[in-house]
Amino acid sequence: KAGVTQTPRYLIKTRGQQVTLSCSPISGHRSVSWYQQTPGQGLQFLFEYFSETQRNKGNFPGRFSGRQFSNSRSEMNVSTLELGDSALYLCASSSGYRAGYTFGSGTRLTVV
Amino acid sequence: DAKTTQPNSMESNEEEPVHLPCNHSTISGTDYIHWYRQLPSQGPEYVIHGLTSNVNNRMASLAIAEDRKSSTLILHRATLRDAAVYYCILSNEGGSSNTGKLIFGQGTTLQVKP
Repeated sequence: KAGVTQTPRYLIKTRGQQVTLSCSPISGHRSVSWYQQTPGQGLQFLFEYFSETQRNKGNFPGRFSGRQFSNSRSEMNVSTLELGDSALYLCASSSGYRAGYTFGSGTRLTVV
Repeated sequence: DAKTTQPNSMESNEEEPVHLPCNHSTISGTDYIHWYRQLPSQGPEYVIHGLTSNVNNRMASLAIAEDRKSSTLILHRATLRDAAVYYCILSNEGGSSNTGKLIFGQGTTLQVKP
């Protein structure tokens, strides 16, 4: 079966712009989580959606937001980009935490 | 959030077994122990998880101490493709603050020598 698909793979944006990243989960998975990975902070949890509802949120500013559609696909948005937002953004889908999570390959965002 | 402690790095020879330790002394009764690994330029990959009993799958084995305060990921025959960062994570969905969330530490960087 197809894995978790993230688009685009690479993105270059300018400070102050906004960006939208997309994640298509494994078919049948209703939970989608997002993570930010940087060399300094490692992997940090952003938020999790289940059946179009945000169930949990990490410690990130309000510039980071997300949503989930009825087909479980999810998007995350970062507004007013800062240089420090340069990172690998990963999404993961799951059929339940006991089943483990499947990660996508990520979107590499560079803010210049 | 319950934390895990892992060595920063380990080395292994190809085709030899590798035992990656993880301490989680503050684990709660409902925490699952998950292991993920991340190869360069890829997202983390699920390896194995368990609650109380030892677990085996095609990738690895997970040995959980009787008191659950530690666990060991066992790769039976390391290959060069097993060189990665290995993360030991506790996962618990009791309470809204834990839902859908994995807390990654720094992990153990495994080097495999030919």
